[in-house]
Amino acid sequence: DSGVTQTPKHLITATGQRVTLRCSPRSGDLSVYWYQQSLDQGLQFLIQYYNGEERAKGNILERFSAQQFPDLHSELNLSSLELGDSALYFCASSQIDRGGTEAFFGQGTRLTVV
Amino acid sequence: GESVGLHLPTLSVQEGDNSIINCAYSNSASDYFIWYKQESGKGPQFIIDIRSNMDKRQGQRVTVLLNKTVKHLSLQIAATQPGDSAVYFCAEEEGSYIPTFGRGTSLIVHP
Repeated sequence: DSGVTQTPKHLITATGQRVTLRCSPRSGDLSVYWYQQSLDQGLQFLIQYYNGEERAKGNILERFSAQQFPDLHSELNLSSLELGDSALYFCASSQIDRGGTEAFFGQGTRLTVV
Repeated sequence: GESVGLHLPTLSVQEGDNSIINCAYSNSASDYFIWYKQESGKGPQFIIDIRSNMDKRQGQRVTVLLNKTVKHLSLQIAATQPGDSAVYFCAEEEGSYIPTFGRGTSLIVHP
């Protein structure tokens, strides 16, 4: 158990809908990272938050947004969903503003858009 | 658990054999490299890392080799066990501390 909790574990929704994925980082970790893992793209970095502020942006669509709350949990909002958004979405956390060794991944949310 | 389902290169080995997983990275300015293991139904898990000023680093049963000249990274697993069956990803970082992942290799260990 990495200590990073993601909910829900599975989500099935229709095209055009909006969903919210939730991530609780490890206790004491200030950084949260979101990744998308799809069949043809591997693990793609979406966005990073550090202590409530956006720190880095990757290949995140404009239809997607995220935030980190004062209690350090984070939410990834996906709107106007398309079939191609079906993927595993991972959250990772780290204690300092760095990925790599200090980043621990949750078990992911599998999103299926039908 | 759920599989990632990616169409990945696959390495099949017998239990007890040594495994070598290769990775070609793209950014010559990357200065930090990590290997992750992803088991079915789980998120990636850190295995070992190496900085660009090194060419070899050893862990417990694992060794990472870095060849910056040809931008190649390899992960060697000694005495491979069935529990090593997973998808292995290499990742590179340059300054920004955000790892960029490769496509992964599926390792299958036969008992």
